Amino acid sequence: SQQGEEDPQALSIQEGENATMNCSYKTSINNLQWYRQNSGRGLVHLILIRSNEREKHSGRLRVTLDTSKKSSSLLITASRAADTASYFCATAPGNRDDKIIFGKGTRLHILP
Amino acid sequence: SAVISQKPSRDICQRGTSLTIQCQVDSQVTMMFWYRQQPGQSLTLIATANQGSEATYESGFVIDKFPISRPNLTFSTLTVSNMSPEDSSIYLCSGGQTTYEQYFGPGTRLTVT
Repeated sequence: SQQGEEDPQALSIQEGENATMNCSYKTSINNLQWYRQNSGRGLVHLILIRSNEREKHSGRLRVTLDTSKKSSSLLITASRAADTASYFCATAPGNRDDKIIFGKGTRLHILP
Repeated sequence: SAVISQKPSRDICQRGTSLTIQCQVDSQVTMMFWYRQQPGQSLTLIATANQGSEATYESGFVIDKFPISRPNLTFSTLTVSNMSPEDSSIYLCSGGQTTYEQYFGPGTRLTVT
C-alpha cells in the first residue's frame, strides 16, 4: 500500500506567503525525502531527513519530522512564482532492502 | 550525488510500436530504478535495473512489456513494447548508492497515439 500521503492535494497562496505541506506515513522509516517536480519535468531532490532528526533547513525550506505521529511537514517561506510545482514526499522503509515509496503529491500554485 | 540524463526527453509514438529510453549516470551507482508517472499521478516503480542480470519487476509490470538492460554501473535502458495509449506517461530513471538515496533524471514524456 502507498506509504506517504500528502495533505493538502492542492494549495494556492499569494506570492510572499508561506506554504505548508504535510505528509503522513504508516510504517517505520529510515528517512523521509521531499522532492519538487515542475510541470512535465523530472524530480528535484529538496531535502532528506533521517528518522533520528526532527528538523532540517535548506534555504527557504524547513522540514520537520515527527516519528511518533508518523508525519512530516515541508514549509516554504516567502514563496515565489518559481515555487509553483508539485511536491512529493517519499519514505524509505526501515528495511534497507525495501524501496522508497512516493506519496500522491501536493500541487502548489503561487499566485502573483 | 549523481547527475542523470535521459534520452529522448519526449516522443510521440504510434500504437503497436516500441520505444527505448536511455538513462546515463555521470558516476557509477549501485542501484538504478525505472518509474512511471501517469498524468497527474505520483511515481510508480516499474523495476530495479540489475547490473549484468535480469531486472527485478514490481507487481503489475512484466519483462515482455518493459524489457530493461543494464550493461554497466552507469547506463540502463527501458523499452516500452507494443505501445498503447495507456502507456502515455512520463518515464523516469533514478540512481544512487542505496535504495533510499536516489537521484532522478529529467524524465521522458511519452505520448502514444
